[in-house]
Amino acid sequence: EAAVTQSPRNKVAVTGGKVTLSCNQTNNHNNMYWYRQDTGHGLRLIHYSYGAGSTEKGDIPDGYKASRPSQENFSLILELATPSQTSVYFCASGEDTQYFGPGTRLLVL
Amino acid sequence: AQSVDQPDAHVTLSEGASLELRCSYSYSAAPYLFWYVQYPGQSLQFLLKYITGDTVVKGTKGFEAEFRKSNSSFNLKKSPAHWSDSAKYFCALEGRGNEKITFGAGTKLTIKP
Repeated sequence: EAAVTQSPRNKVAVTGGKVTLSCNQTNNHNNMYWYRQDTGHGLRLIHYSYGAGSTEKGDIPDGYKASRPSQENFSLILELATPSQTSVYFCASGEDTQYFGPGTRLLVL
Repeated sequence: AQSVDQPDAHVTLSEGASLELRCSYSYSAAPYLFWYVQYPGQSLQFLLKYITGDTVVKGTKGFEAEFRKSNSSFNLKKSPAHWSDSAKYFCALEGRGNEKITFGAGTKLTIKP
């Protein structure tokens, strides 16, 4: 079974600060994804990647950057965090079926 | 553009009833379609998928879904429902060739014992 881990699991940040969310997968999937989950919106795709070195914009990329330095790791970066980015963030990997990480709860004050 | 609609935000049923959660999609070609489940406080888990072939697909936990091209639907079904099926269910679409995934807003299912 695919193993996707995320760190940190919980994060409190200040407005204007930099936040980095990390994701690691051990099943050698080419594709990795970052989503945020908010009440009433389901999951919305922020960025995704086809493999090391590639990043693609999803449906809501504004205010977020992504980095895929290796097959295993995919990071989501908030350069200047804002309270509207308070959410639960999920990382996933998989070629068609998605395997999700446990999620990161981010609170931006 | 691709989109997924789950028209029912909440569904409540009694244990033993048959459940059907609705999902419709919009996509210009034949899509890949998925259902995922999220139990309270947990992440999402894969239930089933339609890629091609048989229009009725069976998944984990006794669920099945029927792909209907005629009305662009992919409804999730189970009979009988059990109280442990209470969770939030998400329908998702992957565009063929672009690897991009679009989720519906989800349906919160409550099964009363």
